[in-house]
Amino acid sequence: DAMVIQNPRYQVTQFGKPVTLSCSQTLNHNVMYWYQQKSSQAPKLLFHYYDKDFNNEADTPDNFQSRRPNTSFCFLDIRSPGLGDAAMYLCATSRVYSGDTQYFGPGTRLTVL
Amino acid sequence: GQQVMQIPQYQHVQEGEDFTTYCNSSTTLSNIQWYKQRPGGHPVFLIQLVKSGEVKKQKRLTFQFGEAKKNSSLHITATQTTDVGTYFCAGRSGNTPLVFGKGTRLSVIA
Repeated sequence: DAMVIQNPRYQVTQFGKPVTLSCSQTLNHNVMYWYQQKSSQAPKLLFHYYDKDFNNEADTPDNFQSRRPNTSFCFLDIRSPGLGDAAMYLCATSRVYSGDTQYFGPGTRLTVL
Repeated sequence: GQQVMQIPQYQHVQEGEDFTTYCNSSTTLSNIQWYKQRPGGHPVFLIQLVKSGEVKKQKRLTFQFGEAKKNSSLHITATQTTDVGTYFCAGRSGNTPLVFGKGTRLSVIA
């Protein structure tokens, strides 16, 4: 059974056209993360939520926003995608921070035309 | 801020050869985790190490955590084509999110 679900799996958008990626989890985990992963690179943490507490990484561009309306769902909004934002976006969850496994979703591959 | 360095970046081995990837942190870690990402897939949790000097084994995979809790290694004995992928270490200091290393991409030549 899928535990971390991401939709869509593939997203094509135009330069500057807003896009929203979604993530849902059936694990009832407290923490949800959004990572950006470009080809042959490590996942780069964009931000995370501990329950409703939002934590933004210092180098995450303002172009990226996130919403977590409830425990199960988390959204990544890219307000004005640029060519450099083309990447795989991974959602992950964990029960807590310390000593806990992160469960990753299958990712959404974003293409910017 | 905390940094996690991982080497080598790439490793090509003949099937049956051994493989090792190394991870070093700029700070003492609370714990370290290892993930495997198959080509086209997403990272999948392999193991977590918590104690100083800890060694854990999973079949042909051996994971070590250094005495100072600043380094770790993953060793695969007698690689198989199913071992192909990128192996990431990820560590944390205290109650903070994981910091991922850049990963080691393993290719296995049959």
